[in-house]
Amino acid sequence: GQQVMQIPQYQHVQEGEDFTTYCNSSTTLSNIQWYKQRPGGHPVFLIQLVKSGEVKKQKRLTFQFGEAKKNSSLHITATQTTDVGTYFCAGQFEASGSARQLTFGSGTQLTVLP
Amino acid sequence: KAGVTQTPRYLIKTRGQQVTLSCSPISGHRSVSWYQQTPGQGLQFLFEYFSETQRNKGNFPGRFSGRQFSNSRSEMNVSTLELGDSALYLCASSLSVTGELFFGEGSRLTVL
Repeated sequence: GQQVMQIPQYQHVQEGEDFTTYCNSSTTLSNIQWYKQRPGGHPVFLIQLVKSGEVKKQKRLTFQFGEAKKNSSLHITATQTTDVGTYFCAGQFEASGSARQLTFGSGTQLTVLP
Repeated sequence: KAGVTQTPRYLIKTRGQQVTLSCSPISGHRSVSWYQQTPGQGLQFLFEYFSETQRNKGNFPGRFSGRQFSNSRSEMNVSTLELGDSALYLCASSLSVTGELFFGEGSRLTVL
């Protein structure tokens, strides 16, 4: 079936270090969304990328969508303890047409050490 | 504006029983999706409803079913519960079928 692979599964960083998580799909995505889930919480929407090669920034967070629309990344500059949580990408495959079936990556659990 | 409300938040059932979970979407949102979250399998898509119609269904057995009412509220039902059904069940609503998802706090189901 259609899958979105996400790496790494876990990442421990010292506060102030950078962090990157990557998502890859074997087939073309129509769009990709990113969510953050704090420990004990629910996923919260961060951003949606639609265009090939798109780059969007939110303060210290930079999101990229690959030229082939098969991969995406989230980069956090100078992590803070508030960045702790699990980051998920969620891809919608072009073949799904008008129906929504967001396929979530397995998530990257980020720990920030003070 | 009230967020997505899911009830009950926690429940414990035994194998063979059935369970019904409820979700009230954000006012004005007509799309409701359900996801199962487990440590081993991550977030898996169950189904999506839009204007009372099931538009898409994930790869789950027929024991998992759902419906949406005219006021956009949705319910999902799991019959003949198995131990493996223990999970956090998340409901999400959105304005459109391509827009961002707003998740509820989830219903944590434990099957003994």
